[in-house]
Amino acid sequence: GQQLNQSPQSMFIQEGEDVSMNCTSSSIFNTWLWYKQDPGEGPVLLIALYKAGELTSNGRLTAQFGITRKDSFLNISASIPSDVGIYFCAGQAYSGAGSYQLTFGKGTKLSVIP
Amino acid sequence: NAGVTQTPKFQVLKTGQSMTLQCAQDMNHEYMSWYRQDPGMGLRLIHYSVGAGITDQGEVPNGYNVSRSTTEDFPLRLLSAAPSQTSVYFCASYNGAKNIQYFGAGTRLSVL
Repeated sequence: GQQLNQSPQSMFIQEGEDVSMNCTSSSIFNTWLWYKQDPGEGPVLLIALYKAGELTSNGRLTAQFGITRKDSFLNISASIPSDVGIYFCAGQAYSGAGSYQLTFGKGTKLSVIP
Repeated sequence: NAGVTQTPKFQVLKTGQSMTLQCAQDMNHEYMSWYRQDPGMGLRLIHYSVGAGITDQGEVPNGYNVSRSTTEDFPLRLLSAAPSQTSVYFCASYNGAKNIQYFGAGTRLSVL
């Protein structure tokens, strides 16, 4: 099956620093999604990418859909304490019969030191 | 998490007990799915449904049953709970127009 490699697994950064995390896949995806999960909550969508090469921003967050369609990165600029959480990448591929399978990376746990 | 409601939020079961995790969405989405989240494993697909009356298996379906009698509801059943099913379970609903899945707040299940 499809696999996603997400890195790094965890990060400790100082408040104000920029953060970068990425995902790579052995398979091609039609859509790349980035989610954030706060403790005790479900994943919340941050950014959705639909086309190879697409670069999309959402406030201090920027994400790109790799040209090969097998990778994506997420950058967070000027981190703040509320950025703490687990960030997941997810690739979505049409698998026939009207289904859209979502494959998740294992997550990047971000800690921000004030 | 707006629009996807999961109940209960927490549950403790004894080995062998059965229970149903409820999931409802009010967005009229056809595609719904169930995931489990375990430490270091990310989210793994258990079962999914592309519409009322249609369900299929995901990556880790063993020990779980689903049904989809209405568009709104997609319950997940554990017929005989095992400690290996201790996990956090998330239901998701898919917006086809935006190609995005939205998640509920999760059900935290412990099987003793």
